[in-house]
Amino acid sequence: GDSVTQMEGPVTLSEEAFLTINCTYTATGYPSLFWYVQYPGEGLQLLLKATKADDKGSNKGFEATYRKETTSFHLEKGSVQVSDSAVYFCALTVTGTASKLTFGTGTRLQVTL
Amino acid sequence: NAGVMQNPRHLVRRRGQEARLRCSPMKGHSHVYWYRQLPEEGLKFMVYLQKENIIDESGMPKERFSAEFPKEGPSILRIQQVVRGDSAAYFCASSPASGAMYEQYFGPGTRLTVT
Repeated sequence: GDSVTQMEGPVTLSEEAFLTINCTYTATGYPSLFWYVQYPGEGLQLLLKATKADDKGSNKGFEATYRKETTSFHLEKGSVQVSDSAVYFCALTVTGTASKLTFGTGTRLQVTL
Repeated sequence: NAGVMQNPRHLVRRRGQEARLRCSPMKGHSHVYWYRQLPEEGLKFMVYLQKENIIDESGMPKERFSAEFPKEGPSILRIQQVVRGDSAAYFCASSPASGAMYEQYFGPGTRLTVT
């Protein structure tokens, strides 16, 4: 079946540090890939997405590149802020599966001053 | 344009009672997804509905759980005879159509606690 594996957290960084959160996947078909962010007490918000190999999704300084050869979609940001503290979920959907999302377990990021 | 609405935000039920969770999709959205998030875990797909139809319920437990999305009114996720293991956050998402190009917009969730 389809699955997503994320690095375990929590990840603790100082403000302005470089962020990488690893994500790898297995899929029964050709997946589209997503990163979602969840702030405390809230629902998930789509952060970025990529729908085909070598696509780069980007938003709010975050980036992730769809790497088919390594089945990866790592999230990066050059300089994190305290306001980036949240839980980040990598997810995929496969065409023909009614667009249901398969999520990783989430990575909690804490950014300190 | 209001976002996806879920109510109640918090629900406490004793073992054996029924829990009823409501989801109002965004205006113009006719596709609704339900996901469950157990403590310290990611979200797991439960069911996908369009108006008056269940399209995919492959993630629903076989017993005690049911979902509907009537022609009028919100989508309802119903859990009968709740057990402690049902304690989780239940999220609803909506989209205007099916397909990866259509973003799923998530509600704030209903946090169910079974005592």
